[in-house]
Amino acid sequence: DQQVKQNSPSLSVQEGRISILNCDYTNSMFDYFLWYKKYPAEGPTFLISISSIKDKNEDGRFTVFLNKSAKHLSLHIVPSQPGDSAVYFCAASAFIQGAQKLVFGQGTRLTINP
Amino acid sequence: ETGVTQTPRHLVMGMTNKKSLKCEQHLGHNAMYWYKQSAKKPLELMFVYSLEERVENNSVPSRFSPECPNSSHLFLHLHTLQPEDSALYLCASSQDPWSYEQYFGPGTRLTVT
Repeated sequence: DQQVKQNSPSLSVQEGRISILNCDYTNSMFDYFLWYKKYPAEGPTFLISISSIKDKNEDGRFTVFLNKSAKHLSLHIVPSQPGDSAVYFCAASAFIQGAQKLVFGQGTRLTINP
Repeated sequence: ETGVTQTPRHLVMGMTNKKSLKCEQHLGHNAMYWYKQSAKKPLELMFVYSLEERVENNSVPSRFSPECPNSSHLFLHLHTLQPEDSALYLCASSQDPWSYEQYFGPGTRLTVT
């Protein structure tokens, strides 16, 4: 049973337009949410996060929105740039048995077309 | 070296072999993690170490044996693996086990033949 789901395996967006990546979760115990970006042959790198007590967090071109009632979060990238082409992972965190445990979605491959 | 490094980057091993994966973090962090990413599956947490003590073992088979000799190094010892254990194994670290942000290494691509 997957607790964090990214239902779109891939997304293609024109350069300069907005990219919207979506993520759904099922466990109400999650109290923090993160987005990671992964290029080929590299490990995931932290991009942006949001606490469950907020509904929006913005960092430059990246904004994450959280809808707790719907158990849904999204990542907006605007304007999209070719260097944003990567796999994006949504992760949800809960403190269990003495450690923050991250549960990841399957990832969405974003391609920005020039 | 900076960040989190992993060696080897690629490994092919037979089912009767014994091998080890190595992870080193240069960030002064106190918690380290092993994750497994199988094809078309999300990253799965395997082990968590805090100050060299194991705090989480996520129901991982005993053919995977972690070792954390100090806060900068983490090993994953492998023995009698199965072909379905072929995957990308990622190491990560965080400032401490209650930190949300984890920093990942590039991973070891393991193939079991």
